[in-house]
This record gives sequence, C-alpha cells and structure tokens, in this order.
Amino acid sequence: EAQVTQNPRYLITVTGKKLTVTCSQNMNHEYMSWYRQDPGLGLRQIYYSMNVEVTDKGDVPEGYKVSRKEKRNFPLILESPSPNQTSLYFCASGRTGDHEQFFGPGTRLTVL
Amino acid sequence: AQKVTQAQTEISVVEKEDVTLDCVYETRDTTYYLFWYKQPPSGELVFLIRRNSFDEQNEISGRYSWNFQKSTSSFNFTITASQVVDSAVYFCALSADTGGFKTIFGAGTRLFVKA
Repeated sequence: EAQVTQNPRYLITVTGKKLTVTCSQNMNHEYMSWYRQDPGLGLRQIYYSMNVEVTDKGDVPEGYKVSRKEKRNFPLILESPSPNQTSLYFCASGRTGDHEQFFGPGTRLTVL
Repeated sequence: AQKVTQAQTEISVVEKEDVTLDCVYETRDTTYYLFWYKQPPSGELVFLIRRNSFDEQNEISGRYSWNFQKSTSSFNFTITASQVVDSAVYFCALSADTGGFKTIFGAGTRLFVKA
C-alpha cells in the first residue's frame, strides 16, 4: 500500500530533550516536506526537500533540522525542543512535476 | 509573496443545506496549483482536488463542486445537500513553480453539519 508513515504518532517530552520524528514514504517520490499545524494558522511549512541531499527552509524553520540521506526517509530533528514547538506535525511526499502531496497521519508533539 | 485567505473561521449548517467555503489567493506566478484538503475529527488530511492555473473549468464530484475564477483569485468549494459526515476542517492551499515547492495553506474553515 502506497503510504507516508510517521513515528511516533504521539509524543510528550520535556524542554531541551532532543527528539527525532521519522518520516518514510514508499512511493519513490522525489519531494518530501514537513509542516506544523496550529489552531488558527493552518499548516505552515517547516522544511522541504526536492531530492536526496537537497533541503530548503520553509516558512518556519527555526528550531528544526532535517536531513535527506535516502530518498524514502526525511526525519525531523528538534535539537532542543521548547514549549512553543508543541504542535501537530505532518510529513508529506510527492512528485515534483505535479505538486500533489500525500500526507502522513500526523504526529502530535507536546513539549512541557 | 503568496497568500491564501479563508475568511470563514467556522460555519454551522443543518443537514441537507448547501454550503460554500471561500478561498482567496494571492500569487505573482503565472503557473500555480490550488488544492482543497479535508481534515476530519480523526486528524488525517484527505486530498479533495487539485487545479492548475491554466484550467479554469469548474469541477463537480458527487456532492462536491469547485469554482475557480482567476479574475477574482478565488477557488471556492461548495457542498450540496450537506451531511453530518462532512463535518471537518477544510483547508485551501496554493503551490507555485517558482520558489521551489513551497506550499501555502489557508487557516482553514471548520464546518459543523448538524443533524
């Protein structure tokens, strides 16, 4: 089944404790992206990647890191999480030609 | 800069009513793509439609229809004969060829359909 998977789905952590949210897709898509969703703000793009070893900042990259060492994986790293990073995070993938994105199920992160 | 505005924060209707969700966008690109996504209470994002800037034809899919008007930079979404299962948050989004693959989402419209 074609899908985008994210792990973990739910995470409660404390300020300053490094964490990684994994994202994997099995559709051989070149493009992958991370978004955060906050009430009243919709989804905002954090980082995106057009292909392996190519990453670019979205609109809200501060406090986040990403890497794209393999085509199928695009982990989101929070080196020192803070409470303002409490949010719902979505990973997405797609073909670069048609701009359509397939979204993962979401990861709800709470930073205390 | 690109921008997507969904002015309606929440809409409440009674089942079987028709409802239109508004979406207004801003972009300087001549080639761009518009999307609608549905987010039911379970939280996942469900793709509904993609429209590119060169295709202004309206589209109908069952009870759903979309009206794309470049002259007013709008891409409105109408649900005919709404049902309780239509209750969700609906997002409009814009993606353009320039600036990489950045996608801008509107703030979303929460639709409540009461039985």
